[in-house]
Amino acid sequence: TQLLEQSPQFLSIQEGENLTVYCNSSSVFSSLQWYRQEPGEGPVLLVTVVTGGEVKKLKRLTFQFGDARKDSSLHITAAQPGDTGLYLCAGGTSYGKLTFGQGTILTVHP
Amino acid sequence: GAGVSQSPSNKVTEKGKDVELRCDPISGHTALYWYRQSLGQGLEFLIYFQGNSAPDKSGLPSDRFSAERTGGSVSTLTIQRTQQEDSAVYLCASSLDLPGANVLTFGAGSRLTVL
Repeated sequence: TQLLEQSPQFLSIQEGENLTVYCNSSSVFSSLQWYRQEPGEGPVLLVTVVTGGEVKKLKRLTFQFGDARKDSSLHITAAQPGDTGLYLCAGGTSYGKLTFGQGTILTVHP
Repeated sequence: GAGVSQSPSNKVTEKGKDVELRCDPISGHTALYWYRQSLGQGLEFLIYFQGNSAPDKSGLPSDRFSAERTGGSVSTLTIQRTQQEDSAVYLCASSLDLPGANVLTFGAGSRLTVL
């Protein structure tokens, strides 16, 4: 069974601070995705990384896939209240099934 | 429709009753997934339908849970003899099933409460 460990589970910060969320596994994944979920809605894809060492930037968000494709990180610069939500990482296999981490609940206070 | 549609959005039932949850995926998406999510937590994989292949049922927690996908489109998740621990949000997602990098589009979920 492939498992993804996300940390921290909870993160409460002030507007303008930086933060990093980690996603780790002992398994190798063919891809790593990050989703964001707001209350009452399904998760929405933020980014997909497929190459070991790959770094992608989406405005103030920076995503990195580990060289061995077992871990990933999400870094947010100058967090804003609108960034508040549940962040989920998900590892993909070659045959399509996605395994999700347990999520990080981020709260950004004005 | 343009997105994944799930119904009902909310279901309250009594312990021991059967429930059916429906998912209408995006037209043309060959893969369909069911996940379960407890309050504020991550997603627990339940079942994965991929085209005409046999579904991956490895995540179903017990034989009270079953799912089918008719005609490669609509899927129904059935929970028999519901228990209180079945209370959760059941999320459905569909994708084009691209090898190695599936992008899932989720529905808003069906919130199940078992009294």
